[in-house]
Amino acid sequence: NAGVTQTPKFRVLKTGQSMTLLCAQDMNHEYMYWYRQDPGMGLRLIHYSVGEGTTAKGEVPDGYNVSRLKKQNFLLGLESAAPSQTSVYFCASRTASYNSPLHFGNGTRLTVT
Amino acid sequence: AQSVTQLDSQVPVFEEAPVELRCNYSSSVSVYLFWYVQYPNQGLQLLLKYLSGSTLVESINGFEAEFNKSQTSFHLRKPSVHISDTAEYFCAVSGPNDYKLSFGAGTTVTVRA
Repeated sequence: NAGVTQTPKFRVLKTGQSMTLLCAQDMNHEYMYWYRQDPGMGLRLIHYSVGEGTTAKGEVPDGYNVSRLKKQNFLLGLESAAPSQTSVYFCASRTASYNSPLHFGNGTRLTVT
Repeated sequence: AQSVTQLDSQVPVFEEAPVELRCNYSSSVSVYLFWYVQYPNQGLQLLLKYLSGSTLVESINGFEAEFNKSQTSFHLRKPSVHISDTAEYFCAVSGPNDYKLSFGAGTTVTVRA
């Protein structure tokens, strides 16, 4: 049972380059989320999705785009990377019940030089 | 919208000593409360949760948290810590109609022999 899988685990980009982070879950969860984690700031929500084909902005959406073409996958894109986007990115998913906990992937460490 | 304040960013503690991590939330409605733990280089894992009923909730590894509605708190405690409890701990809150969880900034617990 893989749970939530994120690829890649590590990536180094140069300013202006683009990339896509992939999140896959095998638990048939309706809701999926992308967070970034920075020292002293906890987790901040970038974008989320409450179902296939739907996405919504979180707290810090600027510079990111997302897509949820299939229920099990949630993609996070950086069109033109900036050093301020250096962070650890976490994907999470949960059922449609409002009191259900999040299940997290192991993260993607991104460095933008 | 809900928000969470974790009052301590760093908590050093000796092995076998007790530890308390403080969490306060702000909300005008009933809430669901969670504690997550993040071990080094891993994603977050659910430690325990309060949904309703008994205000004292326990985890399988000896942690407990008490929901105090009048003080809007959900402090986490363990009577005797182990080296393996060294991790970052996050408090989170969501409401009855929330798609999203709000996280605190995290508390790093370092257990020393």
